[in-house]
Amino acid sequence: AQRVTQPEKLLSVFKGAPVELKCNYSYSGSPELFWYVQYSRQRLQLLLRHISRESIKGFTADLNKGETSFHLKKPFAQEEDSAMYYCALNPGAGSYQLTFGKGTKLSVIP
Amino acid sequence: GAVVSQHPSWVICKSGTSVKIECRSLDFQATTMFWYRQFPKQSLMLMATSNEGSKATYEQGVEKDKFLINHASLTLSTLTVTSAHPEDSSFYICSVAGGVTYEQYFGPGTRLTVT
Repeated sequence: AQRVTQPEKLLSVFKGAPVELKCNYSYSGSPELFWYVQYSRQRLQLLLRHISRESIKGFTADLNKGETSFHLKKPFAQEEDSAMYYCALNPGAGSYQLTFGKGTKLSVIP
Repeated sequence: GAVVSQHPSWVICKSGTSVKIECRSLDFQATTMFWYRQFPKQSLMLMATSNEGSKATYEQGVEKDKFLINHASLTLSTLTVTSAHPEDSSFYICSVAGGVTYEQYFGPGTRLTVT
């Protein structure tokens, strides 16, 4: 069975400081990894996925298969980045199911 | 991406009654829909997976006779909480999937309060 671990429940950083939200996973196959974000009183929405290798809102995430990690990074945090961030894993092989981590609440201090 | 709506957005019901929550995919043919439960300040807990035209697959510990799921079409799934109790009070979220990517598109959620 797959598992996604986000070790930090809460992460507080000052505006302009770098941000790194940690995500580790365990799965024996070749998964697809996602970061979802949930702003206050809004629905969960996709932030980025590892296969697209793109930067969204200044965030990037690189899949490290050796360390089984998919950390989310941004060089300069903005106040509007304050939200809940969830790392999620899809096992592939035709399944649409996602396994979510417990989430990290990012609070950017002005 | 897909636009997903849920109705109602908030419902209060009395203990012992049943309540139905609708999940609609407005512009996307959702072959698969998911129902989640989210407790305050916690992550999403998958309740069940439903494929259009077939019975839902429930996660361990989720009572299928209590949480009835119907996925009658590619754009509509319903979750009926039967004989609701206060402990069923929660935020229920649906999502849809079915495209060439493995992305899920989420609804805004329905807050159920059982008194």
